[in-house]
Amino acid sequence: EVQLVESGGGLVQPGGSLRLSCAASGFTFSSYSISWVRQAPGQGLEWVSSISGSNSYIYYADSLKGRFTISRDNAENSLYLQMNSLRAEDTAVYYCARASGYGVLDYWGQGTLVTVS
Amino acid sequence: QSALTQPASVSGSPGQSITISCTGTSSDVGGYNYVSWYQQHPGKAPKLMIYDVSNRPSGVSHRFSGSKSGNTASLTISGLQPEDEADYYCSSYTSSSVLFGGGTKLTVL
Repeated sequence: EVQLVESGGGLVQPGGSLRLSCAASGFTFSSYSISWVRQAPGQGLEWVSSISGSNSYIYYADSLKGRFTISRDNAENSLYLQMNSLRAEDTAVYYCARASGYGVLDYWGQGTLVTVS
Repeated sequence: QSALTQPASVSGSPGQSITISCTGTSSDVGGYNYVSWYQQHPGKAPKLMIYDVSNRPSGVSHRFSGSKSGNTASLTISGLQPEDEADYYCSSYTSSSVLFGGGTKLTVL
């Protein structure tokens, strides 16, 4: 069974940093791109970043302006999101999701809440 | 990277059919056959319902179907059931990102 479990969320002050993790199981982790998607309270989905299975390709939403860094450890079946210079508008539930095709996010974690206040 | 445009809300009675539109540009929806649709119930993670414009993942009801014409994609739900009440999001692959629509709240009357 494919599982994605996010962790690392919490309350952080503006300007602070946080590192989110996503633990994957039930599939060959290194064979898939993984994405981070966030959802502000009461708002829609916003794509944040994607990383290919081999770490060769990394993409970010323009709105992040270099504050976030995505990475992965295929030996540990884990995905990370380092978030720096956090702002109130970064408050959201952050989901990791497996990409099975071009923009096809077929499995999602339960999300982890980041509150910047 | 502007979000794709969806109606804020749609509604229908049980047994009826509804269609949700998703409008983008030639750089996203119109440029690729890589439109997906997600269903999200309150407090839950999104669930993939349609991928590559019109394909259904295993386990998704045949009542859900997708199509595309030009820069606009559509999700049709036939034979509405109470459990279909949820938020629906479209997304489109681009060369360097994934764009989501603003979401549509479906109410089953």
